[in-house]
Formats: sequence, structure tokens, C-alpha cells
Amino acid sequence: SQELEQSPQSLIVQEGKNLTINCTSSKTLYGLYWYKQKYGEGLIFLMMLQKGGEEKSHEKITAKLDEKKQQSSLHITASQPSHAGIYLCRLGNEKLTFGTGTRLTIIP
Amino acid sequence: DAGVTQSPTHLIKTRGQQVTLRCSPKSGHDTVSWYQQALGQGPQFIFQYYEEEERQRGNFPDRFSGHQFPNYSSELNVNALLLGDSALYLCASSLVEDRGFGYGYTFGSGTRLTVV
Repeated sequence: SQELEQSPQSLIVQEGKNLTINCTSSKTLYGLYWYKQKYGEGLIFLMMLQKGGEEKSHEKITAKLDEKKQQSSLHITASQPSHAGIYLCRLGNEKLTFGTGTRLTIIP
Repeated sequence: DAGVTQSPTHLIKTRGQQVTLRCSPKSGHDTVSWYQQALGQGPQFIFQYYEEEERQRGNFPDRFSGHQFPNYSSELNVNALLLGDSALYLCASSLVEDRGFGYGYTFGSGTRLTVV
């Protein structure tokens, strides 16, 4: 089984709608990072969460870390076509253990 | 300031062949890590190079090998290619003191390898 599971695996959302992506760890979370990946591009670092209860926002994206649930969520408000891509979470370890990924499609 | 450069961008090889992928790290970075990303999956850690030596390795067979040069650039070699080796291969560079910290890693766009 995967150490980091993301849900849903894929998501199709109408432009302007809100959405949430979850990342659940099988082990205690000491830190979690979120990336975005688009075809033909490298991984773009979005946010880093370092402690339980931490919440960070950048533009219309908010990430939270629930240490007790061993889970992090990424919430996008009023989605836009530019939000489309693959979202990846990863652990704060040296080998950069990544989640399984969530493919987000935005439809007009 | 150039980011991480990977070459080639796309590659098609036949089963049993050998392939070499290349990575030039971001200026100032001294550590290079390689990842394999199969379709629909997250990247899987292959290995990390620092000071021209392999420092850490993931769960990949010996068919996967690498090298780091004095200028910090790196190569990933895969021998006896299998169909299952088809994937996007990502390279990331960082400074050794930033190991594990996401903000310190810069990723390349990857090399898409197709094995037929």
C-alpha cells in the first residue's frame, strides 16, 4: 500500500466551482508539501505545511494540515482553467515520498 | 538563472536496449535526485547524488545506475529496458543542506521514455 494516498484520483470541475483534494498518510505527518504538475513542465512547489493545524493560502489555494488525522487538504476556491493539472503531495523526508496524485480538469 | 535542464525531452527505445538520460542542475545546486513517474502515479525516488557519489537509493533494481560529474550534472542509465520502464523521468536539484525540504528542490520538466 502507498504511504501517501490522494483522493480523488481525478476530478472534473466546472469553472468557478470550489474543490478539495485530500492527502492521507499511513504514518505520522511531520511536514507536508504540495506541488502542481502540468504536462511538459516540472513540479511547481505550491506550499509547505510544517505543523498540525497549520493553514496556508496563496491566491485561491488553501492548504491545511490535520496532524491527528494524518491528513492534509488542498482547497481551491472559484476554480479557473489555470488550476488544471496534477496535484501532488509529498512527505518532508529526504527521499521525497510523493502521493499518488490527483488529476484536476476544469471545464468551462 | 537557468533552472534544471533535462535532455532529451522524449525518447523511444526498444526492449532490451540501454538508455542514458541527462540532467543539468540549477546554478548553485550540488545535489541531484532522480525520480520515475509512471502514468497516473506520483514520482518514485530512484536515487540521489552528491559529491559524485550515490548517497541514497530507492527500491529500483541495479539496471538503474547513475553518475554525477564534477560540474554537478548527472546521468541516469537504464540497462536491459523493459516495457514497464516507460515513464516520465524527473530530475531535481538542491543544495545538500536542504535535503528533505520542499522549497529547496527545483524540478526539471522530465524526459518521457517510451519502451516498445
